[in-house]
Formats: sequence, structure tokens, C-alpha cells
Amino acid sequence: AQTVTQSQPEMSVQEAETVTLSCTYDTSENNYYLFWYKQPPSRQMILVIRQEAYKQQNATENRFSVNFQKAAKSFSLKISDSQLGDTAMYFCAFTPREYGNKLVFGAGTILRVKS
Amino acid sequence: DAGVIQSPRHEVTEMGQEVTLRCKPISGHNSLFWYRQTMMRGLELLIYFNNNVPIDDSGMPEDRFSAKMPNASFSTLKIQPSEPRDSAVYFCASSFRLAGNTGELFFGEGSRLTVL
Repeated sequence: AQTVTQSQPEMSVQEAETVTLSCTYDTSENNYYLFWYKQPPSRQMILVIRQEAYKQQNATENRFSVNFQKAAKSFSLKISDSQLGDTAMYFCAFTPREYGNKLVFGAGTILRVKS
Repeated sequence: DAGVIQSPRHEVTEMGQEVTLRCKPISGHNSLFWYRQTMMRGLELLIYFNNNVPIDDSGMPEDRFSAKMPNASFSTLKIQPSEPRDSAVYFCASSFRLAGNTGELFFGEGSRLTVL
């Protein structure tokens, strides 16, 4: 069975600083996708960034980047220049390529950005 | 473009009552997912449809839960009879599945259900 583990229930960071959220996963699949979703207090789930397992280059989206270590099955999210609007619950998610977009989510990490 | 639309946004009901949650996926999407979010269990996939056909309902907790997708633009999740432990936020999500696509799900705003 595929599992996703986020070991940090809560994190805090000062505005403008950098923070890294951890995620590990367990799978026997070789082709898969990884995602980070953000859930602000409004409850809406928003895609932050995605990574395809066959790509060695780490994905980046503006202030968001990932450190994808396939052998270690690790997929951390780095947020640079943190902003107050980044305060949210962050979910790491995984899906094997052949599973029809069926995502398995981690438990989430609450990130609080302080002014 | 309209996103995934869910209704109701909030529902408060009494134990034993029937609850129906509704979802309109993004036009053109061919996969639809129902997730449940609770503090204790996080986000759980209940069921998903591909081209209106249920593909995997292994996450449906028990027979009190049922889901339908009569056409490509509408799905319902029904709980009958409802129980307090069903209290949660229920999310609908849709995506366009094509061989080799990246699997991004687009979520609705969720329906918060409270069963008293």
C-alpha cells in the first residue's frame, strides 16, 4: 500500500524567512507523481507544486521549490521569502501514474507565518 | 472558468436524517473524486468515477454511504441514515485523465457536515 508521511504537525516561520516542510512516501511503483497542496483557512485546496518521478530536476514555482530524493523517497517543500498569506495547512500527496489520478494524502503540516 | 461547485457549503442535521451532497465537476473533466476530511483521519478518498463509472469505492465507510454520477456534469454523495461520526468536510474534486497526464485534481470548496 502507498503511504505518505508528514512528520511535522506544525511549523512556524518569520515573515521573509525560509521554511522547509518534510514529506516521505512509501511505494513500490517506479512511475508516479508527487504534489504539494495548500489549504488556507478558507478551506479551498490549492495546488502549489507538482513533481514527476521520472524527472530528476526539482520542480520550482516562484517562491516554492521541492527537494525530490527518489532513492530516499523524500519530497520536501521549501518556501522562500515567506509571506503572511502562506499561512495554511500543507498536504503532500502521491499518485502512481497508472492509478487514474487517485491521490493519497499525508496528514498535513500547519504552517504559521509570523509578522 | 467555473471551478468545481459543491453544495451545500454547510449542512447541520440530526442523527438519522438523510444527507445529500452535490457536486458539479469542471466541464470537460472525466474523473471525479469524493474525499472526506476529519481531524482524526485527515483526507480520505471515498470513491472515484472515471467517465461516470465508479472505479474504486473501497473507501466508502459502510452501506450508509452511496454515490452516483448520472452524467458527466453531476454527482451526489448520500448518507442515509446519518450519524454524528459522519461529521466532516466532504470534498469533491475533478480532473482530466489522459494517459501520461500529471494527475492534478481541482477541488471544490467542500461541504461541512455536522450531524447532531
